[in-house]
Amino acid sequence: DPKIIQKPKYLVAVTGSEKILICEQYLGHNAMYWYRQSAKKPLEFMFSYSYQKLMDNQTASSRFQPQSSKKNHLDLQITALKPDDSATYFCASSQEHTANTEVFFGKGTRLTVV
Amino acid sequence: GDQVEQSPSALSLHEGTDSALRCNFTTTMRSVQWFRQNSRGSLISLFYLASGTKENGRLKSAFDSKERRYSTLHIRDAQLEDSGTYFCAAEPHSGGSNAKLTFGKGTKLSVKS
Repeated sequence: DPKIIQKPKYLVAVTGSEKILICEQYLGHNAMYWYRQSAKKPLEFMFSYSYQKLMDNQTASSRFQPQSSKKNHLDLQITALKPDDSATYFCASSQEHTANTEVFFGKGTRLTVV
Repeated sequence: GDQVEQSPSALSLHEGTDSALRCNFTTTMRSVQWFRQNSRGSLISLFYLASGTKENGRLKSAFDSKERRYSTLHIRDAQLEDSGTYFCAAEPHSGGSNAKLTFGKGTKLSVKS
């Protein structure tokens, strides 16, 4: 019974298009994150949110925009998609946006840009 | 350079054997988490440690509480289902107040009968 739900599991997109990756968590957590895993790089931190506010952004490109409509939702909008954006995107959450807290991960959305 | 260095990068074990994976950190870490990624790509959390050791079945993990510069994951009596890629992820002391994890490149483990 997954507590962090990511949709869709797999996504194929055309270069230049826009997609939204969905994430919702049912752990009652107040902090949510996005991480990316590509073939070329290890899992890397992208964004963190706390109580629906952006706390940290390590993504250079403004084409990546998180959206939080509810406390337990953190979607990721990606515009003007490029083949280099192909990766598995993991949503994660933790009880609070503090140090020394366990982070829980969803199953990921595997995005392929053609 | 990489803050989290995992070794070995790949490992092949026979069923029933024991082994250890290691993560070295180039800076002091607050905590470490270990994950296994299965063939479907799911990240399964194994351990979270802020210090000391934890054990769960055939798996045991330790985080050096003094220097906070390395962690180990021991696998005892390896089974076929242990196959996968193991990642350690750590939270640097310099990372501010947030739980931002830095991942290693992983150890790909194959267990054979």
